[in-house]
Amino acid sequence: DIQMTQSPSSVSASVGDRVTITCRASQGFGPWLAWYQQKAGKAPKLLIYATSTLQSGVPSRFSGSGAGTYFTLTINSLQPEDSATYYCQQASAFPFTFGPGTEVDIK
Amino acid sequence: QITLKESGPTLVKPTQTLTLTCSFSGFSLSVSRVGVAWIRQPPGKALEWLALIYWDDDKRYTPSLESRLTITKDTSKDQVVLTMTNMDPVDTATYYCAHTHSSTWWAYWGQGTLVTVSS
Repeated sequence: DIQMTQSPSSVSASVGDRVTITCRASQGFGPWLAWYQQKAGKAPKLLIYATSTLQSGVPSRFSGSGAGTYFTLTINSLQPEDSATYYCQQASAFPFTFGPGTEVDIK
Repeated sequence: QITLKESGPTLVKPTQTLTLTCSFSGFSLSVSRVGVAWIRQPPGKALEWLALIYWDDDKRYTPSLESRLTITKDTSKDQVVLTMTNMDPVDTATYYCAHTHSSTWWAYWGQGTLVTVSS
């Protein structure tokens, strides 16, 4: 199985800040990485797929990049509604695996 | 508009078998490259992919639970069913079903159903 890790586990930032979340994989794979946002009590929401493609309707302040074993999710100009937990997911090989999540809190 | 909704028991006893149904609309599981997955999330913990069934009845399971899982589809009813045998308290989680089409990520999710395993 491809193991996914994320850092930091949590971050507290102010409105307008830039936040970067890192996702690392135990082995390299192609661009088959997705990012999800999950708010309390809700189902995950797909933000980015194929490493850097923004899902329809997702604000452009979200962006993704990376390759191999290292991927990042960046939130530019953090907004109050971005308070959530963010998960990366490798979509390259069965079994699909998720990172442990990064909680983003607004100061 | 694609929608999915999970249904099933909210409480099961240890060793019992859990049966969850995902009822969906807005797509057909008879269309090429469409699939429905089950993903779960224990309270306060991360997401875990469990199983996936494709339009052509290809089925995939997470290896650690494969012996306990069965996924089936009923195209005429627009439903996917997941059964998990020998339930244990560690299986307490919110169970989600999700749709995929020509990809291995999920843009459409159900609201989730919380299943508690307790005697």
